[in-house]
Amino acid sequence: SQKIEQNSEALNIQEGKTATLTCNYTNYSPAYLQWYRQDPGRGPVFLLLIRENEKEKRKERLKVTFDTTLKQSLFHITASQPADSATYLCALDGGERSDAGKSTFGDGTTLTVKP
Amino acid sequence: EPEVTQTPSHQVTQMGQEVILRCVPISNHLYFYWYRQILGQKVEFLVSFYNNEISEKSEIFDDQFSVERPDGSNFTLKIRSTKLEDSAMYFCASRNRISNQPQHFGDGTRLSIL
Repeated sequence: SQKIEQNSEALNIQEGKTATLTCNYTNYSPAYLQWYRQDPGRGPVFLLLIRENEKEKRKERLKVTFDTTLKQSLFHITASQPADSATYLCALDGGERSDAGKSTFGDGTTLTVKP
Repeated sequence: EPEVTQTPSHQVTQMGQEVILRCVPISNHLYFYWYRQILGQKVEFLVSFYNNEISEKSEIFDDQFSVERPDGSNFTLKIRSTKLEDSAMYFCASRNRISNQPQHFGDGTRLSIL
């Protein structure tokens, strides 16, 4: 069955450092991969989407890489700030390969950025 | 920026009662979804809806669940006879197409079954 693993449940870093979050998957060939941010009691907020034929995507301080051979995505937040503290979710999507385009989520990594 | 809105934000219901969770997706979106998240667990897919019918549903989405798009704006999830284990956050999501477009989520309804 499909399995998505995100690195350690919690990640603590110092303000200004780069946070690197990992998403590994098995038994799945996603058309694309999404990263979301979730704050307590709120819904997931879309951050970045990367397609299977893309290696890297950037948006401001965010960078995501996608290696379909390793079945892994890395999500980087550079120059991290306390406001970046949240849970980050990786979600795989079959796109048009699946009828529904449903997303399958990992457990999430909770990032805490300390001042 | 347009957003998905969900009501109510919190619903408390006695076990065995029916509940209807409501969502207003982003107006030009065509694909609609319900997900749930039990406290401390991952976001789980329940059902997808396109062209006025269910596209796919998960094992969780049994006969007690139904979805409806009664008019051009609302998308509802009904649980006919709630159980204690239905307590969770329920998120609605929408997107305008499947190809390379993310889903946009609402802030959810917290459902508490007593």
